[in-house]
Amino acid sequence: DADVTQTPRNRITKTGKRIMLECSQTKGHDRMYWYRQDPGLGLRLIYYSFDVKDINKGEISDGYSVSRQAQAKFSLSLESAIPNQTALYFCATSDAVGSETQYFGPGTRLLVL
Amino acid sequence: QKEVEQDPGPLSVPEGAIVSLNCTYSNSAFQYFMWYRQYSRKGPELLMYTYSSGNKEDGRFTAQVDKSSKYISLFIRDSQPSDSATYLCATYQAGTALIFGKGTTLSVSS
Repeated sequence: DADVTQTPRNRITKTGKRIMLECSQTKGHDRMYWYRQDPGLGLRLIYYSFDVKDINKGEISDGYSVSRQAQAKFSLSLESAIPNQTALYFCATSDAVGSETQYFGPGTRLLVL
Repeated sequence: QKEVEQDPGPLSVPEGAIVSLNCTYSNSAFQYFMWYRQYSRKGPELLMYTYSSGNKEDGRFTAQVDKSSKYISLFIRDSQPSDSATYLCATYQAGTALIFGKGTTLSVSS
């Protein structure tokens, strides 16, 4: 089984809808991250969490919220989706000790109509 | 100026060529430098990791960091079609999250 899983893998939604992307990990890592990837813009950090009680905004947090339900689970919500949130979303984890090697999930492809 | 700059390419080379991928960064406090590889429709995976200046070699791959010029390089020798992917440089300083370059798309033709 994959160490970092994301659900759903693909999602089509309409403008104004609330959606949630979920991430689970079995690596036992404390740190979890949400990124979006857009052509020509690379990976941009949305939110990150260094432990269950620690949530931090990243470069592009506007329009997004997160919930760290447990060490293994980190969810990303779009409260009212808009078309420019159409992107590929990645969850990642890393160990709190040592280098910032990050382990990425397979991604969620989101289309907002 | 963005903290990490990377030419997005695309870069196309024939099989067997030597490939050079490069990034520059602006913050001299950055200490750790990484290269991630991302195949189409997959998440990025760590390829190489170096601390401070110097070279690190792993098979056909060599990562090089020059802190005096704030320059990060990845060299691929004897490139193969299976090396076709997007390569992202990344860096950070202790206590912060990773900062990624935009990625360079490489295509190796047989």
